[in-house]
Amino acid sequence: AAGVIQSPRHLIKEKRETATLKCYPIPRHDTVYWYQQGPGQDPQFLISFYEKMQSDKGSIPDRFSAQQFSDYHSELNMSSLELGDSALYFCASSFHLSTGAYEQYFGPGTRLTVT
Amino acid sequence: AQTVTQSQPEMSVQEAETVTLSCTYDTSESNYYLFWYKQPPSRQMILVIRQEAYKQQNATENRFSVNFQKAAKSFSLKISDSQLGDTAMYFCALNFGNEKLTFGTGTRLTIIP
Repeated sequence: AAGVIQSPRHLIKEKRETATLKCYPIPRHDTVYWYQQGPGQDPQFLISFYEKMQSDKGSIPDRFSAQQFSDYHSELNMSSLELGDSALYFCASSFHLSTGAYEQYFGPGTRLTVT
Repeated sequence: AQTVTQSQPEMSVQEAETVTLSCTYDTSESNYYLFWYKQPPSRQMILVIRQEAYKQQNATENRFSVNFQKAAKSFSLKISDSQLGDTAMYFCALNFGNEKLTFGTGTRLTIIP
């Protein structure tokens, strides 16, 4: 079965540079979530999109922005990178149901290292 | 705001034994969903099992089962016949449907050969 695809898998950037992370959800999934997992921590929610509209926003820095495109893939843009942005960034996708919850399936993550 | 608490940072068990991981949560909502995710050394997040709060029957997936106590706001995961491949970090998580997941801090489980 197709899974969530994230690219790149690894990314090394210097401070103050810009990074773009991409996420391709499971086919027919219309909702995308972004999470950040620091070393030894649990994943923290950043932002989500449903049908190309932002549906929720968490502790996402103003330096970060994201969008979901017409083909449902999503991109997380990170500017003015700081050392503290070094983390594993997950994208998860699900199929929106009007009632009930549908499981969120996670991609393999993008490991971002800021030097 | 909802919270999820995992009070066991680390656990270890002999292969083939049964182990139970604890999770408690707090929410004022009546309709919510609980999950256990597994994160092996590869760091991939893998969904293990889910439970709808409105269902009284405990969810089961092969060797994995939950003990859902709604009144106590408790959601423990039992792993039977543990295998070496079960070695991982296990996260308990909660959401309210098509919304973000709130995770606990995780339990690192080691299966000893």
